[in-house]
Amino acid sequence: DAGVIQSPRHEVTEMGQEVTLRCKPISGHDYLFWYRQTMMRGLELLIYFNNNVPIDDSGMPEDRFSAKMPNASFSTLKIQPSEPRDSAVYFCASSLIRSNTGELFFGEGSRLTVL
Amino acid sequence: RKEVEQDPGPFNVPEGATVAFNCTYSNSASQSFFWYRQDCRKEPKLLMSVYSSGNEDGRFTAQLNRASQYISLLIRDSKLSDSATYLCVVKVHYGQNFVFGPGTRLSVLP
Repeated sequence: DAGVIQSPRHEVTEMGQEVTLRCKPISGHDYLFWYRQTMMRGLELLIYFNNNVPIDDSGMPEDRFSAKMPNASFSTLKIQPSEPRDSAVYFCASSLIRSNTGELFFGEGSRLTVL
Repeated sequence: RKEVEQDPGPFNVPEGATVAFNCTYSNSASQSFFWYRQDCRKEPKLLMSVYSSGNEDGRFTAQLNRASQYISLLIRDSKLSDSATYLCVVKVHYGQNFVFGPGTRLSVLP
């Protein structure tokens, strides 16, 4: 089975540009998470969805960040306008709560550099 | 105070050594506990869950002390391939907010 798929793997952009990160969760999983990882702050939860509905977006830094999940197999995280401090690795993860293992399955991450 | 705190590391140990990592959490409503492993420039992956009675998986032993809000991971007979960052993860019983600690980096040296 395919794991969580993220794109792009790497993105370099200039300050002020719009950035869209994409995620395809594992088929059948009912939770989807967006995390951001930096050296200074570690892994931070930005937002998570349950059955495509946003449940907790308290980790979203500010209005420049938005996330959507239009269907069970696709989610986007958008930053508009981007700033250099948004440079980080953005991970998408999915899980199946019914399995009761509590395991999060992460994608390989999208490494964003904002110049 | 951060929700989950870990030994800062890095830990540099020789092959075959036993190494222990500690983790403390601040939210007494936390109900589920895990250790994840993250290799350099890779995604985190579940190493093991941590159960109240403690649990073992091969060379790895995890312990939980709810009264002290403390979790530990012991690695025996360490291998070169154990070199990674070990992340302590805590989840409260409501919602699905998995809180990750900052991680402890381990380097096993030949």
